[in-house]
Amino acid sequence: QSVLTQPPSASGTPGQRVTISCSGSSSNIGSNTVNWYQQLPGTAPKLLIYSDDQRPSGVPDRFSGSKSGTSASLAISGLQSEDEADYYCAAWDDSLNGWVFGGGTKLTVL
Amino acid sequence: QVQLQESGPGLVKPSQTLSLTCTVSGGSISSGSYYWSWIRQPAGKGLEWIGRIYTSGSTNYNPSLKSRVTISVDTSKNEFSLKLSSVTAADTAVYYCARERWVQLIYRFDSWGQGTLVTVSS
Repeated sequence: QSVLTQPPSASGTPGQRVTISCSGSSSNIGSNTVNWYQQLPGTAPKLLIYSDDQRPSGVPDRFSGSKSGTSASLAISGLQSEDEADYYCAAWDDSLNGWVFGGGTKLTVL
Repeated sequence: QVQLQESGPGLVKPSQTLSLTCTVSGGSISSGSYYWSWIRQPAGKGLEWIGRIYTSGSTNYNPSLKSRVTISVDTSKNEFSLKLSSVTAADTAVYYCARERWVQLIYRFDSWGQGTLVTVSS
């Protein structure tokens, strides 16, 4: 059971906007920033969003992040087939004194 | 562009110690503003943070693994290592090393190795 809670799956058609939620607690999301990682099939995770809503250089602006209280969200607009991947949220947990991840959300582009 | 590469045995017997090394190229492991982490992923499952080390030798470990984990750094070789003792089949996973960048108290894993599969089996 992961400390951060994500829906196991999400889906959308090309061009649609989808959102993936990540729920935590006061010791992680509530007091620290959230990062999102994209893992394409058979590859290592890649940083997608950091500090709740910041995109590293090279990440399309179709990807955006937000946070409110103890929950965070990843939004993908203009969905493309190459966005089909697993997405993970992560945050530092002050109680555990370590990083915690969500269980991952498998995004399917229909 | 920094690159990380994991290396070590792909097969470990139950009760033995898993040992992996992450070699860093394209940058110095002693550069400030970075922690160096190990993260694992069982087949078909999510990511689990194992622990991290700073170049000073300061470490943080996942409480669920702390009693079995040791992470060390060798700045002369530009590498850091993981040892996980008393392994069982539950430790079978792809193991990733990753660089954790911190700037102005903002932390993130910005570079990852390709991962190495470690299977625990007799």
